[in-house]
Amino acid sequence: DAEITQSPRHKITETGRQVTLACHQTWNHNNMFWYRQDLGHGLRLIHYSYGVQDTNKGEVSDGYSVSRSNTEDLPLTLESAASSQTSVYFCASSEGLADTDTQYFGPGTRLTVL
Amino acid sequence: AQSVTQLDSQVPVFEEAPVELRCNYSSSVSVYLFWYVQYPNQGLQLLLKYLSGSTLVKGINGFEAEFNKSQTSFHLRKPSVHISDTAEYFCAVSPFSGYSTLTFGKGTMLLVSP
Repeated sequence: DAEITQSPRHKITETGRQVTLACHQTWNHNNMFWYRQDLGHGLRLIHYSYGVQDTNKGEVSDGYSVSRSNTEDLPLTLESAASSQTSVYFCASSEGLADTDTQYFGPGTRLTVL
Repeated sequence: AQSVTQLDSQVPVFEEAPVELRCNYSSSVSVYLFWYVQYPNQGLQLLLKYLSGSTLVKGINGFEAEFNKSQTSFHLRKPSVHISDTAEYFCAVSPFSGYSTLTFGKGTMLLVSP
Protein backbone atom coordinates (compact mmCIF):
# COMPACT_ATOMS: atom_id res chain seq x y z
CA ASP A 1 0.00 0.00 0.00
CA ALA A 2 1.10 3.53 -0.71
CA GLU A 3 2.00 5.55 2.35
CA ILE A 4 3.77 8.54 3.77
CA THR A 5 6.49 8.02 6.37
CA GLN A 6 8.47 10.35 8.59
CA SER A 7 11.75 9.77 10.36
CA PRO A 8 12.81 9.94 13.04
CA ARG A 9 9.60 9.72 15.05
CA HIS A 10 11.27 11.32 18.05
CA LYS A 11 14.35 13.55 18.17
CA ILE A 12 16.11 15.42 20.93
CA THR A 13 18.75 17.94 19.94
CA GLU A 14 20.61 20.91 21.34
CA THR A 15 20.24 24.58 20.55
CA GLY A 16 22.30 25.62 17.56
CA ARG A 17 22.56 22.20 15.93
CA GLN A 18 21.38 21.52 12.38
CA VAL A 19 18.57 18.98 12.22
CA THR A 20 16.94 17.31 9.22
CA LEU A 21 13.57 15.61 9.36
CA ALA A 22 12.76 13.17 6.60
CA CYS A 23 9.48 12.74 4.75
CA HIS A 24 8.93 10.05 2.13
CA GLN A 25 5.75 9.26 0.19
CA THR A 26 5.07 6.42 -2.19
CA TRP A 27 1.91 7.81 -3.79
CA ASN A 28 3.81 9.67 -6.49
CA HIS A 29 2.03 12.84 -5.36
CA ASN A 30 3.15 16.15 -6.82
CA ASN A 31 2.43 18.26 -3.74
CA MET A 32 4.16 17.94 -0.39
CA PHE A 33 3.78 20.04 2.76
CA TRP A 34 5.40 20.52 6.16
CA TYR A 35 3.39 21.69 9.17
CA ARG A 36 4.18 22.20 12.81
CA GLN A 37 1.63 21.55 15.53
CA ASP A 38 1.73 23.43 18.79
CA LEU A 39 -0.77 23.52 21.62
CA GLY A 40 -3.18 26.39 21.10
CA HIS A 41 -2.04 27.02 17.53
CA GLY A 42 -3.33 24.07 15.56
CA LEU A 43 -1.26 23.25 12.47
CA ARG A 44 0.75 25.95 10.76
CA LEU A 45 2.29 25.62 7.32
CA ILE A 46 6.09 25.84 7.20
CA HIS A 47 7.03 25.07 3.58
CA TYR A 48 5.45 23.37 0.62
CA SER A 49 6.33 22.08 -2.82
CA TYR A 50 4.26 21.58 -5.96
CA GLY A 51 6.84 19.44 -7.71
CA VAL A 52 10.51 18.65 -8.19
CA GLN A 53 12.71 21.73 -7.78
CA ASP A 54 9.73 23.79 -6.57
CA THR A 55 9.62 25.10 -2.98
CA ASN A 56 7.53 27.80 -1.33
CA LYS A 57 7.42 29.48 2.06
CA GLY A 58 4.47 29.05 4.34
CA GLU A 59 3.21 30.99 7.32
CA VAL A 60 6.10 30.11 9.68
CA SER A 61 9.13 29.48 7.46
CA ASP A 62 11.82 31.43 9.35
CA GLY A 63 14.61 29.10 10.50
CA TYR A 64 13.52 26.24 8.22
CA SER A 65 14.42 25.16 4.69
CA VAL A 66 13.37 22.42 2.28
CA SER A 67 14.58 21.03 -1.03
CA ARG A 68 12.78 18.80 -3.51
CA SER A 69 15.17 16.76 -5.65
CA ASN A 70 12.70 13.96 -6.44
CA THR A 71 8.97 13.31 -6.25
CA GLU A 72 9.06 11.05 -3.19
CA ASP A 73 11.00 13.13 -0.64
CA LEU A 74 10.79 16.55 1.01
CA PRO A 75 13.31 16.81 3.86
CA LEU A 76 12.88 19.67 6.34
CA THR A 77 16.06 21.25 7.71
CA LEU A 78 16.36 23.39 10.80
CA GLU A 79 19.52 25.36 10.10
CA SER A 80 20.27 26.22 13.74
CA ALA A 81 17.75 24.69 16.10
CA ALA A 82 16.11 26.95 18.67
CA SER A 83 14.00 26.06 21.71
CA SER A 84 11.04 27.77 20.00
CA GLN A 85 11.20 25.03 17.37
CA THR A 86 10.29 22.34 19.88
CA SER A 87 7.12 20.99 18.32
CA VAL A 88 5.47 18.11 16.53
CA TYR A 89 6.14 18.19 12.80
CA PHE A 90 3.80 16.69 10.21
CA CYS A 91 4.47 16.04 6.58
CA ALA A 92 1.60 15.73 4.11
CA SER A 93 1.14 15.11 0.41
CA SER A 94 -1.61 15.54 -2.15
CA GLU A 95 -2.04 14.47 -5.72
CA GLY A 96 -1.80 17.98 -7.06
CA LEU A 97 -4.38 17.80 -9.81
CA ALA A 98 -6.74 20.32 -8.20
CA ASP A 99 -7.09 22.61 -5.24
CA THR A 100 -9.73 20.23 -3.91
CA ASP A 101 -7.22 17.45 -3.38
CA THR A 102 -7.17 15.68 -0.04
CA GLN A 103 -3.93 15.96 1.90
CA TYR A 104 -2.58 12.73 3.41
CA PHE A 105 -0.57 13.10 6.59
CA GLY A 106 2.39 11.23 7.99
CA PRO A 107 2.53 10.06 11.63
CA GLY A 108 4.57 13.04 12.81
CA THR A 109 8.00 13.70 14.32
CA ARG A 110 8.25 15.00 17.87
CA LEU A 111 11.27 17.31 18.11
CA THR A 112 12.65 18.61 21.37
CA VAL A 113 15.32 21.32 21.32
CA LEU A 114 17.16 21.67 24.62
CA ALA B 1 -5.82 35.57 3.40
CA GLN B 2 -7.99 33.07 5.22
CA SER B 3 -8.60 32.38 8.88
CA VAL B 4 -10.49 29.65 10.72
CA THR B 5 -12.01 29.90 14.17
CA GLN B 6 -12.99 26.85 16.15
CA LEU B 7 -15.02 28.24 18.97
CA ASP B 8 -14.51 25.43 21.46
CA SER B 9 -11.11 24.11 22.45
CA GLN B 10 -12.66 21.15 24.24
CA VAL B 11 -16.09 19.50 24.09
CA PRO B 12 -16.94 16.85 26.70
CA VAL B 13 -19.89 14.60 25.89
CA PHE B 14 -21.34 11.31 27.06
CA GLU B 15 -21.39 8.25 24.85
CA GLU B 16 -24.44 8.01 22.54
CA ALA B 17 -25.18 11.73 22.91
CA PRO B 18 -25.24 14.05 19.88
CA VAL B 19 -22.41 16.49 19.33
CA GLU B 20 -21.73 19.61 17.28
CA LEU B 21 -18.25 21.05 16.78
CA ARG B 22 -18.33 24.62 15.57
CA CYS B 23 -16.22 26.17 12.83
CA ASN B 24 -16.35 29.66 11.36
CA TYR B 25 -14.08 31.01 8.67
CA SER B 26 -13.08 34.31 7.14
CA SER B 27 -11.84 34.75 3.60
CA SER B 28 -11.73 37.40 0.89
CA VAL B 29 -12.16 34.69 -1.76
CA SER B 30 -14.31 31.58 -2.07
CA VAL B 31 -12.96 28.56 -0.26
CA TYR B 32 -13.26 24.83 -0.01
CA LEU B 33 -13.89 23.48 3.49
CA PHE B 34 -12.51 20.43 5.26
CA TRP B 35 -12.72 18.60 8.56
CA TYR B 36 -9.78 16.45 9.64
CA VAL B 37 -9.53 14.17 12.69
CA GLN B 38 -6.41 13.36 14.69
CA TYR B 39 -6.51 10.32 16.97
CA PRO B 40 -3.97 10.24 19.83
CA ASN B 41 -0.36 9.99 18.65
CA GLN B 42 -1.35 9.82 14.99
CA GLY B 43 -1.36 12.05 11.95
CA LEU B 44 -4.47 13.73 10.58
CA GLN B 45 -6.98 12.03 8.33
CA LEU B 46 -9.80 13.52 6.29
CA LEU B 47 -13.33 13.24 7.70
CA LEU B 48 -15.15 15.13 4.98
CA LYS B 49 -14.91 18.07 2.62
CA TYR B 50 -17.24 20.57 0.99
CA LEU B 51 -16.41 21.52 -2.58
CA SER B 52 -19.74 22.56 -4.12
CA GLY B 53 -23.35 21.46 -4.47
CA SER B 54 -25.41 20.26 -1.52
CA THR B 55 -24.54 22.15 1.61
CA LEU B 56 -24.88 19.01 3.74
CA VAL B 57 -21.82 16.82 3.43
CA LYS B 58 -21.53 13.32 4.80
CA GLY B 59 -18.19 11.89 5.86
CA ILE B 60 -16.68 8.82 7.41
CA ASN B 61 -17.62 7.36 10.80
CA GLY B 62 -21.14 8.84 10.74
CA PHE B 63 -20.07 12.49 10.76
CA GLU B 64 -21.69 15.18 8.67
CA ALA B 65 -21.20 18.91 8.26
CA GLU B 66 -23.32 21.74 6.93
CA PHE B 67 -21.95 24.66 4.97
CA ASN B 68 -23.68 27.97 5.66
CA LYS B 69 -22.35 30.67 3.35
CA SER B 70 -24.25 33.57 4.94
CA GLN B 71 -22.88 32.71 8.38
CA THR B 72 -19.49 31.57 7.02
CA SER B 73 -19.79 28.42 9.09
CA PHE B 74 -19.07 24.73 8.59
CA HIS B 75 -20.17 22.97 11.75
CA LEU B 76 -19.51 19.25 12.25
CA ARG B 77 -22.19 17.00 13.74
CA LYS B 78 -22.74 13.42 14.79
CA PRO B 79 -26.09 12.19 16.13
CA SER B 80 -24.61 9.60 18.50
CA VAL B 81 -20.94 9.50 19.50
CA HIS B 82 -18.83 6.54 20.58
CA ILE B 83 -15.89 6.33 22.93
CA SER B 84 -13.72 5.75 19.86
CA ASP B 85 -14.62 9.24 18.56
CA THR B 86 -12.41 10.76 21.25
CA ALA B 87 -9.91 12.74 19.20
CA GLU B 88 -8.95 16.23 18.11
CA TYR B 89 -10.91 17.68 15.22
CA PHE B 90 -9.57 20.35 12.89
CA CYS B 91 -11.51 22.55 10.51
CA ALA B 92 -9.56 23.83 7.50
CA VAL B 93 -10.07 25.95 4.40
CA SER B 94 -8.40 26.09 1.01
CA PRO B 95 -8.92 28.99 -1.40
CA PHE B 96 -10.29 28.68 -4.95
CA SER B 97 -6.88 29.40 -6.35
CA GLY B 98 -5.65 26.30 -8.11
CA TYR B 99 -3.36 25.58 -5.17
CA SER B 100 -4.08 23.22 -2.32
CA THR B 101 -2.60 24.90 0.74
CA LEU B 102 -4.73 24.53 3.86
CA THR B 103 -5.32 26.98 6.68
CA PHE B 104 -6.29 25.16 9.87
CA GLY B 105 -8.22 26.16 12.96
CA LYS B 106 -6.70 25.54 16.37
CA GLY B 107 -8.63 22.34 16.87
CA THR B 108 -11.38 21.04 19.15
CA MET B 109 -10.74 18.14 21.49
CA LEU B 110 -13.78 15.87 21.65
CA LEU B 111 -13.83 13.89 24.90
CA VAL B 112 -16.37 11.08 24.97
CA SER B 113 -17.00 9.42 28.32
CA PRO B 114 -19.15 6.41 29.24
